[in-house]
Amino acid sequence: EAGVAQSPRYKIIEKRQSVAFWCNPISGHATLYWYQQILGQGPKLLIQFQNNGVVDDSQLPKDRFSAERLKGVDSTLKIQPAKLEDSAVYLCASSPPTGWGEQYFGPGTRLTVT
Amino acid sequence: GENVEQHPSTLSVQEGDSAVIKCTYSDSASNYFPWYKQELGKRPQLIIDIRSNVGEKKDQRIAVTLNKTAKHFSLHITETQPEDSAVYFCAASLPSNTGKLIFGQGTTLQVKP
Repeated sequence: EAGVAQSPRYKIIEKRQSVAFWCNPISGHATLYWYQQILGQGPKLLIQFQNNGVVDDSQLPKDRFSAERLKGVDSTLKIQPAKLEDSAVYLCASSPPTGWGEQYFGPGTRLTVT
Repeated sequence: GENVEQHPSTLSVQEGDSAVIKCTYSDSASNYFPWYKQELGKRPQLIIDIRSNVGEKKDQRIAVTLNKTAKHFSLHITETQPEDSAVYFCAASLPSNTGKLIFGQGTTLQVKP
């Protein structure tokens, strides 16, 4: 079974620039999550999709962050404009439709904002 | 909302010794508690999980215990090996159809050969 795919793996941008991350979940997984992991901390949920609908975006800084999952499969997360404090690893995870919500993570995108 | 506290933040053991990491949660309604292992620069990997209707679960050298009364759960690693060195995260989620996980702050485990 293929895992969660993410790209790019690394990105360096200057503050005020924009950036986009892509995620392809495990086949058949209806639920998709985007997390932000700051160095030395646990992952923090930014947004959760069930198919192509948003379930929880309470922690998403909506003035600069946006995400979409138009066809209920792939998802993109965008930051515009980026700030220094956005430097982090952005992790995508997905979970199967049955079970207790176990989540499987992608390799992440390490973003550095200079 | 739910809050998860994890201790210790760092743990160093000799190869072959046991390691224990503890987490406490705030919302008594939480019913799912996974543990993730994250090696440097890699993705978090689910290593074991426990549901609230079970008190203990084992998988080879790792085990997790849950005390619902005290609202804490622990990860136990026996016969530690150098490849167990990593950051370990606990998490908790509430019984809803969202599956939202709240993570602890992480424990850096170092196993010395």
